[in-house]
Amino acid sequence: EAGVTQFPSHSVIEKGQTVTLRCDPISGHDNLYWYRRVMGKEIKFLLHFVKESKQDESGMPNNRFLAERTGGTYSTLKVQPAELEDSGVYFCASSRIGGRETQYFGPGTRLLVL
Amino acid sequence: QKEVEQDPGPLSVPEGAIVSLNCTYSNSAFQYFMWYRQYSRKGPELLMYTYSSGNKEDGRFTAQVDKSSKYISLFIRDSQPSDSATYLCAMSATRQAGTALIFGKGTTLSVSS
Repeated sequence: EAGVTQFPSHSVIEKGQTVTLRCDPISGHDNLYWYRRVMGKEIKFLLHFVKESKQDESGMPNNRFLAERTGGTYSTLKVQPAELEDSGVYFCASSRIGGRETQYFGPGTRLLVL
Repeated sequence: QKEVEQDPGPLSVPEGAIVSLNCTYSNSAFQYFMWYRQYSRKGPELLMYTYSSGNKEDGRFTAQVDKSSKYISLFIRDSQPSDSATYLCAMSATRQAGTALIFGKGTTLSVSS
């Protein structure tokens, strides 16, 4: 079974530019999560999808961040316009519906905003 | 006060040592406690989870939860160089789908041969 994949693995952009991160969850996993780790801080929750529906966006830092999950498969997280404080590692995780869940994490996308 | 406190280390031990990793937390609603292991340039991988208080053992790894003290531990026996990684504690009030995990900062462990 393939794990959670994320693309790109690294991204370096300038302040004010737009970046789109992609996450492909484990096949059959309806739950999809985005987390972020800013340097020196802990991993923090951003949002949660069930299939294509956003269930919880409480961790999204501001309206420069837009997450989508069209068709309930892969998800994208767009940052527009990027600011210096958006630098960090963005992790995606997925889990099955029902029962006690385990969240499986992807390798992360390392974003550096200059 | 942060919800979860974890000493980031780094922690360096010789091969074969017993390693103790710890987290404290402030939210008494937390019921599920997890330890994730993260190798360099990889994502966090669930190592163990425990529910409420008590111990759980899996091979060389033992997880302990003391809810009265709001303190959790992960012990690694006979540590190996392959155990060198960052260990993250994570917690949640439930284990239902959609529950956001609350992480500690992680402790970086280095086991030398």
